[in-house]
Order: sequence, then structure tokens, then C-alpha cells
Amino acid sequence: AQKITQTQPGMFVQEKEAVTLDCTYDTSDPSYGLFWYKQPSSGEMIFLIYQGSYDQQNATEGRYSLNFQKARKSANLVISASQLGDSAMYFCATGRGTGGGADGLTFGKGTHLIIQP
Amino acid sequence: DTGVSQNPRHKITKRGQNVTFRCDPISEHNRLYWYRQTLGQGPEFLTYFQNEAQLEKSRLLSDRFSAERPKGSFSTLEIQRTEQGDSAMYLCASSLVGGEDTQYFGPGTRLTVL
Repeated sequence: AQKITQTQPGMFVQEKEAVTLDCTYDTSDPSYGLFWYKQPSSGEMIFLIYQGSYDQQNATEGRYSLNFQKARKSANLVISASQLGDSAMYFCATGRGTGGGADGLTFGKGTHLIIQP
Repeated sequence: DTGVSQNPRHKITKRGQNVTFRCDPISEHNRLYWYRQTLGQGPEFLTYFQNEAQLEKSRLLSDRFSAERPKGSFSTLEIQRTEQGDSAMYLCASSLVGGEDTQYFGPGTRLTVL
């Protein structure tokens, strides 16, 4: 079984500051993927970034980076230079296999991020 | 390149009625997933298809829930004899196995059971 823990129910951050959203995971699968999704108030889940368990380097996508610490089983999302449009729910998820998404994903409960001007 | 689409976006029904939701995946994607999301929670996996084959359905919430993907393209999720506890957002996602494999989600169908 897989489990995702997101310990920050909500966060307030000043615009243009960097923000780190925490995620720890638990899985017995030797090969897995870690994902972050953004869910604005409209409801759609928007894919942000992916990290494979065998990837040596931390993933980056524009202003998003994933701080992957395998020994600690953590996969924190870092957003640099936050913008008002970053206000949303953020979900960490994991899945089995090298691609991670080949079967169902297991999601955490999410972090509600609010960017203040 | 269009994304995943879902219809209807909102559905209000009375307890005991049957409802059906439709999902159209990204055109070249061969895997299709259904999730349920209740208020304050992350999405919960229900079932998935590879082409027309339903490869996992043990996570469907009860025998009132069923899903089909008859021609390996669009999929439908049906809930029979709806209950108030079925009120939730139903999300569909698709991916390309053998390719990027990332799941891309549609906008969801919000179900309200009165």
C-alpha cells in the first residue's frame, strides 16, 4: 500500500517569496513516481512536476522544483518567486512503476496555498 | 491538442436515481482513469482502463458503481441508486503508457445528490 502525508493544511506567503510545500511518502514498491498537481478553485487538477524514484537529479519545471530526498522519503515542492496566480490547492501523489502513473495514483490531503500581495 | 473533457460538468439528482458521466481522454492516450474527490480530500482512485480492457475495478466503491470504455476511446461511469454520500467531484484522467505516462486530468463532474 502507498501513503502520502502532507502536513501543512494551509499556508500564507507573500508575493515574490519562495515557498516549500512538504510531502512525505511511504511505499513498498521498489520503483515509483512522485507527482505534484495544482487544483485551482475551478476544480481541474493541473500536472506540475514528476520525479522518478531512480532519478538522480531533482526535477525542475520552470518555477517549480522537486526536492527529492529518497532516504527521508520526502518529495517537497519548491515554488520560486511566487505569484498571485499560484494560490490554489496543491496535491502530492505517488504511483507504482517507473513512470509512476501506470496504475492509480495515491494522493495526499493537499495544502491550500494563498499568495498575498 | 485538446485535453481531457468531461460531461456534464455539474449534475444534480435525487436520491435513488441513476447517473452517468462521460469522459473523453486525450486522443492518443491508451489509459483512462476514474477518481472520486470529496470535500477536503485528495482524489481517490476508482478504476482504470487500458484501451477497452478494465484492468482494475476492485477499488470501485460498491456494486452500484460501474464503468465502461467500449471502443477504447471515451468512457462512462455509472452510479445506480444514488445516495447522498455519493455527492462528490468525479475526475477522469488519461495517460500514454510507454510514453510520458503522466496522468492528465479533466475538469471533473460535480455530483450533488439531494
